[in-house]
Amino acid sequence: GESVGLHLPTLSVQEGDNSIINCAYSNSASDYFIWYKQESGKGPQFIIDIRSNMDKRQGQRVTVLLNKTVKHLSLQIAATQPGDSAVYFCAEAAAGGTSYGKLTFGQGTILTVHP
Amino acid sequence: NAGVTQTPKFRILKIGQSMTLQCTQDMNHNYMYWYRQDPGMGLKLIYYSVGAGITDKGEVPNGYNVSRSTTEDFPLRLELAAPSQTSVYFCASSSLLREQYFGPGTRLTVT
Repeated sequence: GESVGLHLPTLSVQEGDNSIINCAYSNSASDYFIWYKQESGKGPQFIIDIRSNMDKRQGQRVTVLLNKTVKHLSLQIAATQPGDSAVYFCAEAAAGGTSYGKLTFGQGTILTVHP
Repeated sequence: NAGVTQTPKFRILKIGQSMTLQCTQDMNHNYMYWYRQDPGMGLKLIYYSVGAGITDKGEVPNGYNVSRSTTEDFPLRLELAAPSQTSVYFCASSSLLREQYFGPGTRLTVT
């Protein structure tokens, strides 16, 4: 079936560096791509999303890039801080049809920020 | 706003027992979801609801049942618990399709 997966399961960076977390997806019909952050012992928290007709979207210290040609999604975190240490999931969603309302999550990347 | 609350936080079940995981949201969201998360894995959708009285199966519905009698509540029922249902269960709600708000989770062990 359709799936969303990640290239790298772990990423270690120094505080202040920029982080890039990657995700490969396979469902070309998805309308939205979303990034969630999950801290230890907590539920996932929405970070940012991007619609399929966009290639870049910026938030506070985060940027999401979408490359539909190679079905690749990335999350860039600027000036990474120890509080950014968490597991990051990409997810995809369809805005219509029988998949409406459903998110498909990737496996996750563990980001560790060293002070 | 309390957001999404889940009870219990932890539970140990014996094989064959049944239980209900409770989920309540106070944000008046129409959409509610149940996911399970196995160790080191992403979340898999069990059931979801687009409004009171309407539920639908997700990716892994076998062994579970849900109901949605009110906008606020979306309980998940496990019948005849099996070791394969050992997992962390998350409830979520949303008004926008992709920005889901998650509860703190219920850690369930079936032995």
